[in-house]
Amino acid sequence: AQTVTQSQPEMSVQEAETVTLSCTYDTSESDYYLFWYKQPPSRQMILVIRQEAYKQQNATENRFSVNFQKAAKSFSLKISDSQLGDAAMYFCAYRRKSGGGADGLTFGKGTHLIIQP
Amino acid sequence: GAVVSQHPSWVICKSGTSVKIECRSLDFQATTMFWYRQFPKQSLMLMATSNEGSKATYEQGVEKDKFLINHASLTLSTLTVTSAHPEDSSFYICSARAVARRSSYNSPLHFGNGTRLTVT
Repeated sequence: AQTVTQSQPEMSVQEAETVTLSCTYDTSESDYYLFWYKQPPSRQMILVIRQEAYKQQNATENRFSVNFQKAAKSFSLKISDSQLGDAAMYFCAYRRKSGGGADGLTFGKGTHLIIQP
Repeated sequence: GAVVSQHPSWVICKSGTSVKIECRSLDFQATTMFWYRQFPKQSLMLMATSNEGSKATYEQGVEKDKFLINHASLTLSTLTVTSAHPEDSSFYICSARAVARRSSYNSPLHFGNGTRLTVT
């Protein structure tokens, strides 16, 4: 079974600074997807960034980028120029590709990100 | 963008009653829908996978007779919590994957806004 581990229950960063959220995972699959989702107090799940395992290039979306280390099974999220609106729970998630789209996501326990003004 | 509507957004029911939660894909067809449960300050746990026209697949430890799932069309899946008890109080979220021309495995997931269930 796949597992996703987020070892930081809470992180705090000053506005405009950079913060990195950690995520490790365990799988026996060779091809899969990794995601970071943001969940603000509204509880809506918002996709932040997605990485395909076979792509060595790290995904980037504006101020959000990942450091994907496949051998180490590590998938950290870097948020640059932190903004107050970035405050939320961040969940790392995994989905295998071999399931043909029939697999749900496996989520980590989440990291609560606090932005200090 | 694609929208998934979940209804109701919150519901309070008495112990022993049943509650139905709907998950609709508004502007796309969804071959597969997923139901998650989220306890306060915890992660989302996959409960079951709902496939249009076939039986749902439940995760280990989820009672299929208690959490009835029906996916009768490509735009609607329902989760019915039967004989609800206070321990069923939780936040339930659905997600849906669009039908893609080539295959569905690469289709993005779209989440509903969730339903907060409180059983008194």
